[in-house]
Amino acid sequence: NAGVMQNPRHLVRRRGQEARLRCSPMKGHSHVYWYRQLPEEGLKFMVYLQKENIIDESGMPKERFSAEFPKEGPSILRIQQVVRGDSAAYFCASSPPVRGNTGELFFGEGSRLTVL
Amino acid sequence: QKEVEQDPGPLSVPEGAIVSLNCTYSNSAFQYFMWYRQYSRKGPELLMYTYSSGNKEDGRFTAQVDKSSKYISLFIRDSQPSDSATYLCAHPQVIKAAGNKLTFGGGTRVLVKP
Repeated sequence: NAGVMQNPRHLVRRRGQEARLRCSPMKGHSHVYWYRQLPEEGLKFMVYLQKENIIDESGMPKERFSAEFPKEGPSILRIQQVVRGDSAAYFCASSPPVRGNTGELFFGEGSRLTVL
Repeated sequence: QKEVEQDPGPLSVPEGAIVSLNCTYSNSAFQYFMWYRQYSRKGPELLMYTYSSGNKEDGRFTAQVDKSSKYISLFIRDSQPSDSATYLCAHPQVIKAAGNKLTFGGGTRVLVKP
């Protein structure tokens, strides 16, 4: 059973370009989460999605960032008109529906975005 | 005030020593906590979770919660170089549609020297 798959692992963009990060959840997992980890900082929640639905996007910046999880295919985190401050590691996690407060999130290895 | 805070370290110990990691939280209503381990350039993986007050032990790892002082601790006995990683405490929050939002501390980097 493959884990959470993220690609690309490394992405370099120039200011003003677009970045697209992809995430395939673990088999059988219907919940996808995106987290951002800035250098020397912990992980910050961005968005929680299920198939074709954004459930909680309270951690998403209001502009330039969007996420989707289509019926077919991976979840996509899209960053338009990237700026240097977007340089970070973006982690995707997946889980089955949570029962109680101890539901584990399974993380991918991250996509590292560098904005020149 | 951040909801969950950790000393960033680094914490350097000799092999075989006990590693002691701490985390503080701000909301006295929090009951569940998790410890994740993150190796360099990798994603976090769950080490253990703990509920309310008391201890939980899993092999060389022991997690403690002290609700009176809003303090969470993780102890690693007989530390090994392979324990060198960043340790993140997290508070899970069940959200709508059976989701689970984790609020992480900043992580403490641990280096176990052979």
